[in-house]
Amino acid sequence: DAGITQSPRYKITETGRQVTLMCHQTWSHSYMFWYRQDLGHGLRLIYYSAAADITDKGEVPDGYVVSRSKTENFPLTLESATRSQTSVYFCASSESGSWGKSKDYEQYFGPGTRLTVT
Amino acid sequence: AQKVTQAQTEISVVEKEDVTLDCVYETRDTTYYLFWYKQPPSGELVFLIRRNSFDEQNEISGRYSWNFQKSTSSFNFTITASQVVDSAVYFCALKGSWGKLQFGAGTQVVVTP
Repeated sequence: DAGITQSPRYKITETGRQVTLMCHQTWSHSYMFWYRQDLGHGLRLIYYSAAADITDKGEVPDGYVVSRSKTENFPLTLESATRSQTSVYFCASSESGSWGKSKDYEQYFGPGTRLTVT
Repeated sequence: AQKVTQAQTEISVVEKEDVTLDCVYETRDTTYYLFWYKQPPSGELVFLIRRNSFDEQNEISGRYSWNFQKSTSSFNFTITASQVVDSAVYFCALKGSWGKLQFGAGTQVVVTP
């Protein structure tokens, strides 16, 4: 199906374990983003990518690693999960707007991954 | 620095009442974009509207309307004749020259029959 998908949708893991959340989009959008959603904070940007092999930190990058070897995929890895990383994670994508800064275009979001770290 | 403030944490209304969601933003950019997203109980985020900083015309889409006032840095959202299906969390967001989306904390709208 076309669109943006995330897997798994639900994940329970233990403190200290490594976990990878997957994101896949079929629109060939240049930009991809990872957010976490916590009560009272709205959505906060973790990392984003302007194109394959180009990534940059967002507001809350500590404890996370990203890669983007292919345009359509943008996995997020928690190298050593902590309880504070219990959250709902959203992936998003957008087209590249003026000056390649994705200024113009709205972001389309995946369905989210609910991660619980015990 | 950019900031988006949604001061209303939760609004409860009875069906058919109007409800207005406030959004106040801060930015030093002269060119920026404002957005509203809806997050229903199912959890997905649904894009509602995008407005650029040069276009202060109000917009109406069915029962939804948006009031953009640059002078007060506000981008308020009104749902007219609310319905139970409007129950959701609504997020206001700002995208400035650096291209990243800054979200407000969200407003929970509860519409009861």
